[in-house]
Amino acid sequence: DAGVTQSPTHLIKTRGQQVTLRCSPKSGHDTVSWYQQALGQGPQFIFQYYEEEERQRGNFPDRFSGHQFPNYSSELNVNALLLGDSALYLCASRGLAGLKEQFFGPGTRLTVL
Amino acid sequence: AQSVSQHNHHVILSEAASLELGCNYSYGGTVNLFWYVQYPGQHLQLLLKYFSGDPLVKGIKGFEAEFIKSKFSFNLRKPSVQWSDTAEYFCAVTGSGNTGKLIFGQGTTLQVKP
Repeated sequence: DAGVTQSPTHLIKTRGQQVTLRCSPKSGHDTVSWYQQALGQGPQFIFQYYEEEERQRGNFPDRFSGHQFPNYSSELNVNALLLGDSALYLCASRGLAGLKEQFFGPGTRLTVL
Repeated sequence: AQSVSQHNHHVILSEAASLELGCNYSYGGTVNLFWYVQYPGQHLQLLLKYFSGDPLVKGIKGFEAEFIKSKFSFNLRKPSVQWSDTAEYFCAVTGSGNTGKLIFGQGTTLQVKP
């Protein structure tokens, strides 16, 4: 049973560029959340997708957007990259509403130069 | 404001020493509480969780945590640490009615010396 997978593993971009990160949830899971983990900090919630819609959003600007596909996989898009966007981006998935545990992927390390 | 505070940023212990990592939260209403661990080079894994019932919860690898509602705390403990426990530990909280948004503390780096 594959866990949460994310691609790519690492990414280097320059300021002003756009980036797309991808996530496949754990088998049987239908809800995907994205988190940003800056160096030396705990993960911060970006947003959550369920039934292909954004259900909750953290304190992140509109430059951060996402999408969920019918197969429950998800993308995180960041436009107009800033140096401060450099971080580890984590995807987490969970199953039916009664299951409260989130399972995390290995993350995508984004470096903005 | 909703937040989680972990008091120890970096802890160094010798093998067989006892461990206690502090975690306090600020969150209105009923909460769910978690401890996650991130071993070097690995992804976040759930150590243990509290939803309701017995405030003393046991997790994997001999870890346990106690929920003290009056103190808004959920401290992590282990009687005897091993070198393999070297990792970063994160405390997290969600509202029981809002389980999608985990609020994490900034983490505690545990270094266990053999």
